[in-house]
Amino acid sequence: DTGVSQNPRHKITKRGQNVTFRCDPISEHNRLYWYRQTLGQGPEFLTYFQNEAQLEKSRLLSDRFSAERPKGSFSTLEIQRTEQGDSAMYLCASSLAGTVPEAFFGQGTRLTVV
Amino acid sequence: SQQGEEDPQALSIQEGENATMNCSYKTSINNLQWYRQNSGRGLVHLILIRSNEREKHSGRLRVTLDTSKKSSSLLITASRAADTASYFCLALAAQGAQKLVFGQGTRLTINP
Repeated sequence: DTGVSQNPRHKITKRGQNVTFRCDPISEHNRLYWYRQTLGQGPEFLTYFQNEAQLEKSRLLSDRFSAERPKGSFSTLEIQRTEQGDSAMYLCASSLAGTVPEAFFGQGTRLTVV
Repeated sequence: SQQGEEDPQALSIQEGENATMNCSYKTSINNLQWYRQNSGRGLVHLILIRSNEREKHSGRLRVTLDTSKKSSSLLITASRAADTASYFCLALAAQGAQKLVFGQGTRLTINP
């Protein structure tokens, strides 16, 4: 499978616990994006990387959220001290940098905080 | 990039009819892309139109771009039940950060 892969697909956690999601982009893609999506809404931008550099982080992202892409390949998104409001689908996408960056999305990780 | 705004927010038509969705944006762009999202899944790239193009076709999809009005439309002809999904546009500026910001989308329902 040469597409964008996200793990796990589903995660149920208790409020206050930490969770970590992983995204494996398409191998030659140097850009990687994280989004959060709730029911009936469009994907909400969280952050994106070019190679290992985190170029931008949404102001919506509290300090409980952190993302890394240590070697410019896979990325992790960690949420500390989860809250019920964190329940959402977390989407990852990758693309090549350039003027025509077609983005390829993974299937997402659905987080439920109980 | 900049956020495109899709219109209408929801559209419900009968199978076989044509569906038209619109997208508006605010500043000059390099290209505009349309994506589809089936319920609970990731987004899938459908079609891209460059700023120097006015119309583009791909199968049953037809995209138009009017840079003077800063708007685009996506037409799906002979709709099928499998076209039921949310559709998003993405307007990309020529310069600056390209963080791919999506709007709220158009929720299309095809009734059998």
